[in-house]
Amino acid sequence: GAGVSQSPRYKVAKRGQDVALRCDPISGHVSLFWYQQALGQGPEFLTYFQNEAQLDKSGLPSDRFFAERPEGSVSTLKIQRTQQEDSAVYLCASSLAGRSNQPQHFGDGTRLSIL
Amino acid sequence: GDSVTQMEGPVTLSEEAFLTINCTYTATGYPSLFWYVQYPGEGLQLLLKATKADDKGSNKGFEATYRKETTSFHLEKGSVQVSDSAVYFCALDTNAGKSTFGDGTTLTVKP
Repeated sequence: GAGVSQSPRYKVAKRGQDVALRCDPISGHVSLFWYQQALGQGPEFLTYFQNEAQLDKSGLPSDRFFAERPEGSVSTLKIQRTQQEDSAVYLCASSLAGRSNQPQHFGDGTRLSIL
Repeated sequence: GDSVTQMEGPVTLSEEAFLTINCTYTATGYPSLFWYVQYPGEGLQLLLKATKADDKGSNKGFEATYRKETTSFHLEKGSVQVSDSAVYFCALDTNAGKSTFGDGTTLTVKP
């Protein structure tokens, strides 16, 4: 069956540009997560949705980062006025329900490079 | 806050060698613990999990036991194969699915 799909796989942008990253979770999965993974490190939590509600955005590094999931399915992570330190792999994950014993299913990520 | 500390890599082993990758954690409450694996060119995927103390997770010959007294969840495999070469991440989850990850351990298995 279809897994979590992220697009684009690679994105190159000039500093100061806005970017939008898309995540299609597994159908029926209630919970959706965004993580940022720097080279050689583990994923760092950014934000979490349960259906369309954004329940936790404590990991967003600045107000330039914005995420939405308006219909409780597809989600978009937007970064405004990109800076070089935003360069990373952005991972999306979904799980069936928002309980701590549920594993997360990850997409392949979007590799963002800011020049 | 919650944190996960993993054995530093990279780890290089010969085929059929015994593998241990150490993982210790700090968490409030009673976390669920996970090992994820990332094969070259692929996304993260769940390897095994344990949801309470003394549980043992196992999959594909890998095992890890949830040790509350030592706050550890070490990954082991009795005989590694070349195909096990990957990056392994230990993670915990205490808050409705929000996971905290270690920095990953790169394993290379040579024939």
